[in-house]
Amino acid sequence: ETGVTQSPTHLIKTRGQQVTLRCSSQSGHNTVSWYQQALGQGPQFIFQYYREEENGRGNFPPRFSGLQFPNYSSELNVNALELDDSALYLCASSPGTGVAGELFFGEGSRLTVL
Amino acid sequence: AQSVSQHNHHVILSEAASLELGCNYSYGGTVNLFWYVQYPGQHLQLLLKYFSGDPLVKGIKGFEAEFIKSKFSFNLRKPSVQWSDTAEYFCAVWSNNAGNMLTFGGGTRLMVKP
Repeated sequence: ETGVTQSPTHLIKTRGQQVTLRCSSQSGHNTVSWYQQALGQGPQFIFQYYREEENGRGNFPPRFSGLQFPNYSSELNVNALELDDSALYLCASSPGTGVAGELFFGEGSRLTVL
Repeated sequence: AQSVSQHNHHVILSEAASLELGCNYSYGGTVNLFWYVQYPGQHLQLLLKYFSGDPLVKGIKGFEAEFIKSKFSFNLRKPSVQWSDTAEYFCAVWSNNAGNMLTFGGGTRLMVKP
């Protein structure tokens, strides 16, 4: 167990809707990253939050947005859902002082867009 | 563009066979290298990491990997696999000139036959 918890575990939405995914980071970790893992592919970096500020972003459109709260938990919001947004969304936390790139992952939120 | 390539998408081995999974990356600058593993129904977890020092690194469960800088490679090895090694394996690279992004390869699905 990593101590990173994500909710919900599964959800189904329709095209055009909006979704919010939530993540609680491991105790003591102040950095949260979000990844999208499409079926049969490796995780793709969406963005990272450090101390409530976006601290890096991958090649995702602005309809993917996020927040980090003072307790270091985080949300991923996706607006105007498209069919290709169907994927496993992974949250990962890190202490910010360890080896850069060493992440502790949650089990993910599986989003299906119909 | 920076990328990580895993040469084998699917590998099937019998127990006690030796394993080598290839990983190549294209990055400039300083890199930290990782292998993550995802066992069926479980979250992604760190198998081993390299960030400096001895290029031959040992991880959990008897796995090891060798960083060859001149070949931009970080291959994963295990001398004798077990049925419990059945999982998906991801090579990942963090670079100091790629923001705070951990870039993953496409993954290798390993099946070990008992």
